[in-house]
Amino acid sequence: GQNIDQPTEMTATEGAIVQINCTYQTSGFNGLFWYQQHAGEAPTFLSYNVLDGLEEKGRFSSFLSRSKGYSYLLLKELQMKDSASYLCAVGKAAGNKLTFGGGTRVLVKP
Amino acid sequence: GAVVSQHPSRVICKSGTSVKIECRSLDFQATTMFWYRQFPKQSLMLMATSNEGSKATYEQGVEKDKFLINHASLTLSTLTVTSAHPEDSSFYICSARVGDWSYNEQFFGPGTRLTVL
Repeated sequence: GQNIDQPTEMTATEGAIVQINCTYQTSGFNGLFWYQQHAGEAPTFLSYNVLDGLEEKGRFSSFLSRSKGYSYLLLKELQMKDSASYLCAVGKAAGNKLTFGGGTRVLVKP
Repeated sequence: GAVVSQHPSRVICKSGTSVKIECRSLDFQATTMFWYRQFPKQSLMLMATSNEGSKATYEQGVEKDKFLINHASLTLSTLTVTSAHPEDSSFYICSARVGDWSYNEQFFGPGTRLTVL
């Protein structure tokens, strides 16, 4: 099976930092993706981790621990435009497809 | 680069009719295309995986006779919702991937909002 859990909603203040956690259980792990999705729009790629550790890309960073089945997405210097849903997706070797978590809606307040 | 388009962006139809949604990769050839469905405030649920020239692979619980997928070329896949009913109203999103592996990035289309009256 494949369970992917992430919080439903988070609220943060403009300029602050928010960390979105994602835990997963899967067989045949083939990497973990984070996507951003604004309401009514398609998801856009943020990051990909396949090895343990931190990947930094501007204001966004993503971390992976394969042994713990755990990842997080870190958003720094939050801006109002960062209000969106953030989707954690696990790549599975069998079937070569992605399974998405439920998504975390982040609301950035002034 | 890596642009995926969908047409139409919105469609409203009567119950019992069929609706066709097109997904195109505009500037690359996609080895594989995927069709997802997303209900309000929920995440993406994979419906089927589509490879050019072969039959689509449907996820458990997705009726293949109701959701017909045709993948005629490396740049075009179509999803036809046959005999649509109000419960089929949803946001349908396609994605396209270069490469055969799940670690290859998927590029998503802008989605099609289907409303069945």
